[in-house]
Amino acid sequence: AQRVTQPEKLLSVFKGAPVELKCNYSYSGSPELFWYVQYSRQRLQLLLRHISRESIKGFTADLNKGETSFHLKKPFAQEEDSAMYYCALSVRAGGGADGLTFGKGTHLIIQP
Amino acid sequence: GAVVSQHPSRVICKSGTSVKIECRSLDFQATTMFWYRQFPKQSLMLMATSNEGSKATYEQGVEKDKFLINHASLTLSTLTVTSAHPEDSSFYICSAREPVGETQYFGPGTRLLVL
Repeated sequence: AQRVTQPEKLLSVFKGAPVELKCNYSYSGSPELFWYVQYSRQRLQLLLRHISRESIKGFTADLNKGETSFHLKKPFAQEEDSAMYYCALSVRAGGGADGLTFGKGTHLIIQP
Repeated sequence: GAVVSQHPSRVICKSGTSVKIECRSLDFQATTMFWYRQFPKQSLMLMATSNEGSKATYEQGVEKDKFLINHASLTLSTLTVTSAHPEDSSFYICSAREPVGETQYFGPGTRLLVL
C-alpha cells in the first residue's frame, strides 16, 4: 500500500527566509503527487500537482523518483504562507484516479 | 475555481441515531466524489470513493453498512452514518473530482459529535 511521510509536524521560519517542507512517499508504481494547503478556518485547497510543473504563490516542488520525494520549496517566506500543508499521493487504478493518500501535514509558521 | 459545499457544517446527535451528510459540487458535474475522515490533530483518511450511478468503493476497514454512500446525481453525494456511536465522532470531509483536469476540490467539512 502507498504511504506519504511528512517528517516535520511543525516548521517555524522567519519572514524572508527560505522554506522547505519535506515529503517522501512509498509506492512501487508511478503515483501522482500533490501539495494541498489549509489556511486557518478554511478548507483544503490544491497548491501544486507535480504533472503541471508550475509555481503557485512562489512555491515549487520537484518529483524526485530516485529519492521518492516531493519536497515543497519557496525561496523567501511571507507571513501569509503560515498554514497547514499536506502532501498527498494519488494512484491511478483502472484508468481513473484513486482517492488521495495524505501525509500527516506540516504546520508552517512564518515569524515576522 | 470550482466550489464544493457540505451540509450540515456541524451536527450533534444521540447515540443510535442516523446522520446524513450532503456533498454538492456547485458549478461542475462530478462523476466521482470522495469521502474522508479526519480525527483531531491527524491527517485525512480516505473512507470511500463515490461513483455516480454505481456502488461506492470502500477502503479497507471501513464498514459499508455503517457508512452508507449514495451518489444519485452528478452534483450530489450523501454519506449516512447509521446507528451512530461516540466513536464515530469526527470531521468528515468530501471532495469532488472535476472532469477536465481531474483536480479534487474539497468541501468545508462536517463536524459530527455523537453523545
